[in-house]
Amino acid sequence: KQEVTQIPAALSVPEGENLVLNCSFTDSAIYNLQWFRQDPGKGLTSLLLIQSSQREQTSGRLNASLDKSSGRSTLYIAASQPGDSATYLCAVSGFEAAGNKLTFGGGTRVLVKP
Amino acid sequence: DTEVTQTPKHLVMGMTNKKSLKCEQHMGHRAMYWYKQKAKKPPELMFVYSYEKLSINESVPSRFSPECPNSSLLNLHLHALQPEDSALYLCASSQENGYEQYFGPGTRLTVT
Repeated sequence: KQEVTQIPAALSVPEGENLVLNCSFTDSAIYNLQWFRQDPGKGLTSLLLIQSSQREQTSGRLNASLDKSSGRSTLYIAASQPGDSATYLCAVSGFEAAGNKLTFGGGTRVLVKP
Repeated sequence: DTEVTQTPKHLVMGMTNKKSLKCEQHMGHRAMYWYKQKAKKPPELMFVYSYEKLSINESVPSRFSPECPNSSLLNLHLHALQPEDSALYLCASSQENGYEQYFGPGTRLTVT
């Protein structure tokens, strides 16, 4: 059974510092990995999706890497801003006989202080 | 447009009530999902529909009944819920099962 872990559970940084968020998973047979952002009481916003054949994906200040063999992904957010404060979730999509389903990590709650 | 809409935003219901949650997308996606999220926990998958057919049911109690009337619409019918079913219910869709998922804003359900 796939297990996804995100450490640390919470992170506080001053504005302008780069953010490094970690995600690890136990089964390397994944279809893809997706990073999400969630604001309190809101739905999830998709940030980046990395296919299993890719090593990294970039969008603006965001960069996500994937190392399938070691079961790790890292999300980098450059020059953090207070608006980046949110919970960040990673999720892996695995192969099932009935279809693909996402398994989520517990999330990292980020606070960027002005 | 990557919008998934959910109605209602908030719902309070008693344990003997019957209510429905609605999810809609107009992106031409053929896979739709229901998730349940408790406070400070990650979303948990409940159901997956692919091409309007139920493909995954994560052993969800029968008091939750999903329905996919057409490719744009997904319903979750609720009956005889328990207080522990209070949570944020999220709907998502993707081009096909396994592709990037787009989430709606959720319905905050309170069972009294």
